[in-house]
Amino acid sequence: AQTVTQSQPEMSVQEAETVTLSCTYDTSENNYYLFWYKQPPSRQMILVIRQEAYKQQNATENRFSVNFQKAAKSFSLKISDSQLGDTAMYFCAFTRGRNDMRFGAGTRLTVKP
Amino acid sequence: KAGVTQTPRYLIKTRGQQVTLSCSPISGHRSVSWYQQTPGQGLQFLFEYFSETQRNKGNFPGRFSGRQFSNSRSEMNVSTLELGDSALYLCASHQTGTHSDNEQFFGPGTRLTVL
Repeated sequence: AQTVTQSQPEMSVQEAETVTLSCTYDTSENNYYLFWYKQPPSRQMILVIRQEAYKQQNATENRFSVNFQKAAKSFSLKISDSQLGDTAMYFCAFTRGRNDMRFGAGTRLTVKP
Repeated sequence: KAGVTQTPRYLIKTRGQQVTLSCSPISGHRSVSWYQQTPGQGLQFLFEYFSETQRNKGNFPGRFSGRQFSNSRSEMNVSTLELGDSALYLCASHQTGTHSDNEQFFGPGTRLTVL
C-alpha cells in the first residue's frame, strides 16, 4: 500500500520569505505521480504543482518548486516570496496514475505579515 | 467552463438515516472520484467511477456506495449513518482518469453532520 507522510503539522513564514514543506512517501511502484494541493480556508482544493516520477527534472510553477528525490522517496515543496494568500493547508498526494489519490495528513501554513 | 459542483453544500442527518450526495463533473470529464475528509483521518479515497463503472475502491465499509450516470454525474450514498461519518465529502473530476497529462479538479465539498 502506498503511504504519504507529512511530518510538519504546522508551519509559519514571514511574508516575502521562503518556506519548504516536507513530504515522504512509500511505494514499490516505479511510475507514479506526485502532487501538492492547497486548501485555503474556503475549502476548495487547488492543484499547486505536479511531478511525474519518470521525469528527473524538478517541476516549477512560478513561486512554487519541488525537490523530488526519487531514491529517497522525498517530495518537498518550496514556496518563494511567500504571500498572505499562500496561507492554507497543503497536502502532498500520490497516485499510480488513476484518479485515486493518497494524501498526506497536511501541513497548515500561515504566512505572517 | 463551469467547475465541479457538489450538492448539497451542507447536510445534517441523524444516526441511522441514509444520505445521498451529488457531484457534477466538469463538462467532458468522465472520471469522478470521491474522498472523505475528517480531522482525525485526513483525506481518504472512497471510490472512483469512470464511464459509469466503479474502477477503484478505497477501504470503506459497504455502507458507502456510489454510482455514475451516463452524463458523468455521480452520486454517493451512505446508509445507516454513524456519528463517525460526519465529514467533508469531496468530489474530484478528471478528463480521462489517468494522470499522464491531465489535472484532477476538486469540487467545494459537501459538509455532512451526523447527530
